[in-house]
Amino acid sequence: AQKITQTQPGMFVQEKEAVTLDCTYDTSDPSYGLFWYKQPSSGEMIFLIYQGSYDQQNATEGRYSLNFQKARKSANLVISASQLGDSAMYFCAMREGRVGNTPLVFGKGTRLSVIA
Amino acid sequence: GAGVSQSPRYKVAKRGQDVALRCDPISGHVSLFWYQQALGQGPEFLTYFQNEAQLDKSGLPSDRFFAERPEGSVSTLKIQRTQQEDSAVYLCASSLQTSGGEETQYFGPGTRLLVL
Repeated sequence: AQKITQTQPGMFVQEKEAVTLDCTYDTSDPSYGLFWYKQPSSGEMIFLIYQGSYDQQNATEGRYSLNFQKARKSANLVISASQLGDSAMYFCAMREGRVGNTPLVFGKGTRLSVIA
Repeated sequence: GAGVSQSPRYKVAKRGQDVALRCDPISGHVSLFWYQQALGQGPEFLTYFQNEAQLDKSGLPSDRFFAERPEGSVSTLKIQRTQQEDSAVYLCASSLQTSGGEETQYFGPGTRLLVL
């Protein structure tokens, strides 16, 4: 079974608009972390935002926020005021367990295209 | 400070050739991960080191894949007798590994391997 599901292969958004990228996850471990990474065409994976399973509040980092709905097992990324430079692949990932020495499991990604 | 670096950035190999991919993690980072990213997919875990110890190699696809981190810093991923299905981007990530918390993995730019 897929542990991370990203159902949107591609998304378009107008510059300066907000966009939500969907992510659902599957785990039976009560301790886990959820991450979003951006991968431009140059290939590097850029860390954007993190949400821990015990965090009470949704994570925010600048224009990025994570809409964490634990009961629904969803961790959607919201990008506000989209910029042309936001065009990239976006990956949702999960790390299970309390200790940090477990690998990330990634979804298949969503390609975001920002239109001028 | 310097991020994770990888070399070479691009490698073209003839089928059957051996290749060695290098990763320089962020200084002081205890944990080091290797991932393989096939075209159009999310990264998939290959192996994990804590300092010089290889604690998990469950993701290595065959015994042709070998990784080492002899002094607990630089790591090398070696692929022997390369096959066309080995063509992918190989990503290295490192994390600080504190006693708990977010344990963000920071990625290098990747090595794009093409096996002809």
